[in-house]
Amino acid sequence: ILNVEQSPQSLHVQEGDSTNFTCSFPSSNFYALHWYRWETAKSPEALFVMTLNGDEKKKGRISATLNTKEGYSYLYIKGSQPEDSATYLCAFIKAGGYQKVTFGTGTKLQVIP
Amino acid sequence: DTGVSQDPRHKITKRGQNVTFRCDPISEHNRLYWYRQTLGQGPEFLTYFQNEAQLEKSRLLSDRFSAERPKGSFSTLEIQRTEQGDSAMYLCASSLVARSGNTIYFGEGSWLTVV
Repeated sequence: ILNVEQSPQSLHVQEGDSTNFTCSFPSSNFYALHWYRWETAKSPEALFVMTLNGDEKKKGRISATLNTKEGYSYLYIKGSQPEDSATYLCAFIKAGGYQKVTFGTGTKLQVIP
Repeated sequence: DTGVSQDPRHKITKRGQNVTFRCDPISEHNRLYWYRQTLGQGPEFLTYFQNEAQLEKSRLLSDRFSAERPKGSFSTLEIQRTEQGDSAMYLCASSLVARSGNTIYFGEGSWLTVV
């Protein structure tokens, strides 16, 4: 069983605040790390696909970093807006074999106007 | 629409009945996944296919669950003798196994309520 953990489990921030959360995953047999955004009543959609140690990705006010040697990724949101309210999921893809995908339990973000 | 589609979107059934969900993945995608989501949890892995081969099935699934992907295209997930604990959203997703990345695309889910 692969341990993919996300923290915090939930988070409330004021509009305009910046925030970040963590995804921890096994540091061995790394293939890729994905971040997904899951809004209520919608399906998860991909934010970032990260494959190399030291990767930094950015999309608008959201960015992510990756450290495969120590097994963590950070997701940052700068100047949070109410429309950022969602659950943010990370998924660890294991190298070798069938490239098993394991999701974390998510960080639920609520941005208060 | 060329995304992942699931049918039905909502199903209410009596305990003990059988239900079947269908998933149509993105057409060129060779990998298809089924996940389950219960309140407050992230997606919980059920099973996945590479083309028509079922590569892995979660130990969390009892024998009442079965999934097929007979021609490597659409897939069905059947739950026999449903129990109230089966009430959840069943998510289907697909991806194209490629050199790197393999972005997963999700359907909108099929909500099951067992009464």
